[in-house]
Amino acid sequence: SQQGEEDPQALSIQEGENATMNCSYKTSINNLQWYRQNSGRGLVHLILIRSNEREKHSGRLRVTLDTSKKSSSLLITASRAADTASYFCAPYNQGGKLIFGQGTELSVKP
Amino acid sequence: DVKVTQSSRYLVKRTGEKVFLECVQDMDHENMFWYRQDPGLGLRLIYFSYDVKMKEKGDIPEGYSVSREKKERFSLILESASTNQTSMYLCASNRDRASYGYTFGSGTRLTVV
Repeated sequence: SQQGEEDPQALSIQEGENATMNCSYKTSINNLQWYRQNSGRGLVHLILIRSNEREKHSGRLRVTLDTSKKSSSLLITASRAADTASYFCAPYNQGGKLIFGQGTELSVKP
Repeated sequence: DVKVTQSSRYLVKRTGEKVFLECVQDMDHENMFWYRQDPGLGLRLIYFSYDVKMKEKGDIPEGYSVSREKKERFSLILESASTNQTSMYLCASNRDRASYGYTFGSGTRLTVV
């Protein structure tokens, strides 16, 4: 399956701590994308990492990609209460469709 | 910024009704998608379109159809609404699937009674 599988399913941390979410997938990919969804709203695209990239940063976000292990991780540093949301990874295979996993629910307590 | 607008935030329809969910994007994107999201099942792809008048089935097309008469508008049609179609429906658009992320609308929460 092209679907990404996030781990853990739920994560609860204190404000200021770092949050790490992992994603595994099964097929070869062109890129892998991470999205955030606040409760009851649409998804927001966070970052896209191409298959020939190993690491990418955007503000407090750091994404790594290991194509040999078919895995990716999303690190949010110095988390804030506003980071509370569900986070999804979505691997993309050229010519294919973007298929989302069930996500990681992140709760950041003030 | 690209904007994807879904016509209704909340919708309540009766079983058997024909339901239209509208989605409009304002950045001339080629690609448009309809997903539904249910607790425990994540997002599932219903239909997608890579061009005007073109449509492709996703993973769960049964009970749905789509229309893309204009590039900016992608409509999802529930031919005869059933209670198991109660869900959050999300529309998305994208310029280039290999290089850019998707832009999602805010979603339509449909309840079929």
